[in-house]
Formats: sequence, structure tokens, C-alpha cells
Amino acid sequence: AQSVTQPDIHITVSEGASLELRCNYSYGATPYLFWYVQSPGQGLQLLLKYFSGDTLVQGIKGFEAEFKRSQSSFNLRKPSVHWSDAAEYFCAVGLSGTYKYIFGTGTRLKVLA
Amino acid sequence: DTEVTQTPKHLVMGMTNKKSLKCEQHMGHRAMYWYKQKAKKPPELMFVYSYEKLSINESVPSRFSPECPNSSLLNLHLHALQPEDSALYLCASSHGNEQFFGPGTRLTVL
Repeated sequence: AQSVTQPDIHITVSEGASLELRCNYSYGATPYLFWYVQSPGQGLQLLLKYFSGDTLVQGIKGFEAEFKRSQSSFNLRKPSVHWSDAAEYFCAVGLSGTYKYIFGTGTRLKVLA
Repeated sequence: DTEVTQTPKHLVMGMTNKKSLKCEQHMGHRAMYWYKQKAKKPPELMFVYSYEKLSINESVPSRFSPECPNSSLLNLHLHALQPEDSALYLCASSHGNEQFFGPGTRLTVL
């Protein structure tokens, strides 16, 4: 069955610390992978995406993610977190040949000053 | 223009009211979507329009009625909603496999 798992419901980090948000997926075909960020009451903003090619993907706001096919993972990283990064983060898999995404359940990031 | 716009930002309606949500994009995308998002949950797909035709209806109750008058505009007509329909309603459009989301309409049903 197709699924996306974000194991961490909540993560708290101090400002300036590094961050890694985990995402694992189950999908039989080549996945189209996305990370979105959502501030309270706002829409989803695309941070980065992976379709093919270089498995280390750079995104906006200093985020990067690495696609590891052998581990079915697409973890999001940032070397130094800013207070403005506090938000909900969603990992998603786009199902090829359809219009559908499978979203993970989200990880809520809290940043301590 | 590289964004999806939604109006209104907030909507409060009674269970007997009829209202509409509006979504617009001018990126030339030919697929448009409605999602419903409850607090602390991921978005749930409701409808997909492709080339102005309804392509996917995820078994949404008939009190929600989508409409796609042209390739840039998507409406969601609401009638006889229930309090449990209160949520953030997100519109999206797509180019290939990438979806672009609007800011959402916060709907409260009293």
C-alpha cells in the first residue's frame, strides 16, 4: 500500500541548532517527493522537490533534502534553524500518472529562543 | 503571476446558508484542486478538475458542489453545511506533478 510516514509529530530545537525531519514512504514506482511548510492558518508553501537526478536537493530558506532509495526516505535538513522556521512541515509523494498526493501526517516544529 | 489566490480569507455561515469559495490562478495550469484541512491534519483531497472537467470526486457529500467556469477559475459552492465541515479549504493548481497551493479560506459553520 502507498503511504508516507513522518515519525516525529513534534520536534523542538533551539535557535541556531541543526534540524532533521524524517520522511519515509512506501510506493512501488519512482516517487515524486515534496516537502511543504505551513504556518498557522496559511496555505502550503513548497520548500523543495525531487523528481530525478541528484539525490541531494536544495530548497528555499536554506533547506535541503536527501533522497535515499534504499531506505525509502526523503529527510529534510537545515544546518541552523531560525525562529521563523517554527511551523508545520508536510512530506508528500506524488503518484505518477494521477493527480494525487499522499501526505504524511506532518511534523510540528517549535523553535526555542 | 505565479500564485493561486483564494477569496474570501474567512467565512462564517449558518447551516441554512448558501455561500461560495473562489479560487483563481493565471499560471496556465490545466488542473485545479480543492482540499479540506482540519486542524493539525494533512490536507484531504476533495475534487480535481482537469481541462475544466471534473476528474476526481473523492466521495464528497453533495452539500459541496464544485464548478470550473474556465481554465483560471474554480469555485466551491456550499449549501446546508454541518458544523463538522468547519475547516481550512485549500485550492491548488498543478503543472505536471507539482501542485501550487493558495492561502486557503477558513470556514466556520455555526
